[in-house]
Formats: sequence, structure tokens, C-alpha cells
Amino acid sequence: ETGVTQSPTHLIKTRGQQVTLRCSSQSGHNTVSWYQQALGQGPQFIFQYYREEENGRGNFPPRFSGLQFPNYSSELNVNALELDDSALYLCASSSRVGEQFFGPGTRLTVL
Amino acid sequence: DQQVKQNSPSLSVQEGRISILNCDYTNSMFDYFLWYKKYPAEGPTFLISISSIKDKNEDGRFTVFLNKSAKHLSLHIVPSQPGDSAVYFCAASAGGSYNNNDMRFGAGTRLTVKP
Repeated sequence: ETGVTQSPTHLIKTRGQQVTLRCSSQSGHNTVSWYQQALGQGPQFIFQYYREEENGRGNFPPRFSGLQFPNYSSELNVNALELDDSALYLCASSSRVGEQFFGPGTRLTVL
Repeated sequence: DQQVKQNSPSLSVQEGRISILNCDYTNSMFDYFLWYKKYPAEGPTFLISISSIKDKNEDGRFTVFLNKSAKHLSLHIVPSQPGDSAVYFCAASAGGSYNNNDMRFGAGTRLTVKP
């Protein structure tokens, strides 16, 4: 059984650019949640996708958007990058309810 | 808004002793609470959970206690082992047991267990 994978591992962008982060969910899971973890803080909920539809959203602006594909993998897109977007981005896959399994994260640095 | 708070950024204990990690929450709608453990360069892994209908849940060396009136939960690790050294996150959600939507996390406590 393959676990949750994320790509890329690290990424450096400049202010104003756009970025796409990817997440492959664990086999059998149809739900993906994305979190932002800033330095010294806990993960903060961005949004959740269930069967290709957004199923809940945290307090993040519209420039944070996502997609979920028929195979339940997912993308997080961030437009107009700001310095404060520098963080570890975590995705977690799960069934509709139940334990979440986290990937190792993507470290984004915005210069 | 910080609805889940872990006020101790770090904790150091001797191997074999008890580790007690604390967590406070402000949202009375939370009814499902979890602890996650995170090693460097890895994602958080689920450790133990508790529903608001209980006040204690045990799993081996790990016990979580919930005090709803105080909006406080704690994780006890007995006995502590060097391999328990990690960052521990407290998390909470509303909407019933096992609901994983809009989960709120604390800032984490770094536990160091000394041999």
C-alpha cells in the first residue's frame, strides 16, 4: 500500500509568481485536505476535497485554490505569491470520515 | 484565531519517567480531539484520539484525558522512551467522532526524552 506522497519536496519562488503543489493520496482514500504550517506554528486548514468537490475551506484568500482528480490525487495552486506564503504545505488523505494520513510536505520559500 | 493552544513549546523528561503534554481549546463546538506526533522531514502521524463523550482513552503507553468543563486535554506517555522524542500536536474538530474536516491544530510541543 503506497502512502501519501507530495511533490516537489522543496520549492523557491519570488513574490508575485504562481505555484502548483501536488499530492497523491493513499490507495482507497477519496478525501484530501491541505494545510499550511508556518514556522513555529501548527498546521492550518486550507481546504478539503471530497470526490473532486471542495468540501470545506479555512480562512485563506481565493488566491489559494485546489483541484482533485478522478484518481483522488490533488493540486494546491497559489497565485500572486506573498512573502508570508513561505511555509510547509501538508496534504492529508483519508476516507470521508476517519484518520488522516499526512504526506511529508512541500517546503515553499517565497523571496 | 487560536482555538487550540499548546502553551509549552518544549518539554524535556528522563527516560522511564512520565511525559505530560497539555492542550487547551476555546471552541465549545469541538467534540473530537486528537494527538499527532511529528518527526523531522515527515508528516504528522496519528497517535490517539478521544471523543467528547469520554474523559479518558488509553492505547498502550499513551493515555489522553479530556476535561470538557475546563476545555483542557492532556496526553500522558508512560514510560517515556528516547524514540518518543518528537513534536506533538493537539488537534480538534467539530461535527462528530472521526470528522476530519476543518481540523484545528495547536502550535505543538517538542518533547525530548533523555536516555
